[in-house]
Amino acid sequence: DIQMTQSPSTLSASVGDRVTITCRARQSISNWLAWYQQKPGKAPKLLIYKASSLESGVPSRFSGSGSGTEFTLTISSLQPDDFATYYCQQYNRYFGGGTKVEIK
Amino acid sequence: EVQLVESGGGLVQPGGSLRLSCAASGFTVSDKYMSWVRQAPGKGLEWVSVIYSGGNTYYADSVKGRFTISRDNSNNTLYLQMNSLRAEDTALYYCAQDVIWGQGTMVTVSS
Repeated sequence: DIQMTQSPSTLSASVGDRVTITCRARQSISNWLAWYQQKPGKAPKLLIYKASSLESGVPSRFSGSGSGTEFTLTISSLQPDDFATYYCQQYNRYFGGGTKVEIK
Repeated sequence: EVQLVESGGGLVQPGGSLRLSCAASGFTVSDKYMSWVRQAPGKGLEWVSVIYSGGNTYYADSVKGRFTISRDNSNNTLYLQMNSLRAEDTALYYCAQDVIWGQGTMVTVSS
């Protein structure tokens, strides 16, 4: 089984900041990676699929990159609605531990 | 409307069993891959199991041999049979298909 490691676990940022979250796979998963956003009491929401494809309706300030074992999720200009927890997931398998984006 | 609705959660004693259901509408369960994902209180997401359209099934090591994923095509419903339950199985259980997630059903394992 392929483990997914996310960093950082917590991130403090301000509105307007550029934010980057990293996800690493223990072995290559090609581009079979998704990114989710979760807010308290809600089901996760898909943001990015196949490492870099933006899900329909997701703001363009979100972007994903990477392939193989290293991936990143970038929020180009953090908005108030973006304070949440973010997870990477190898397709239909293991999740990363999550990154909580907090208000600085 | 495309949606997933889970049911079947509740309080069960350690060693007990429970079967979760996930009723799908707006699409056909047997045409898609379907997953179960759980989240313990205050913790992160944990993948549990997946069933593909061809019928292949896969499980997380933490539940292998205890949980069984299945589907009923006539009822368009996904199931998770959970046996030999442990305290660490306490979580909100979601079923999911790509972008579609249910609201979750809570399972509490406690004496």
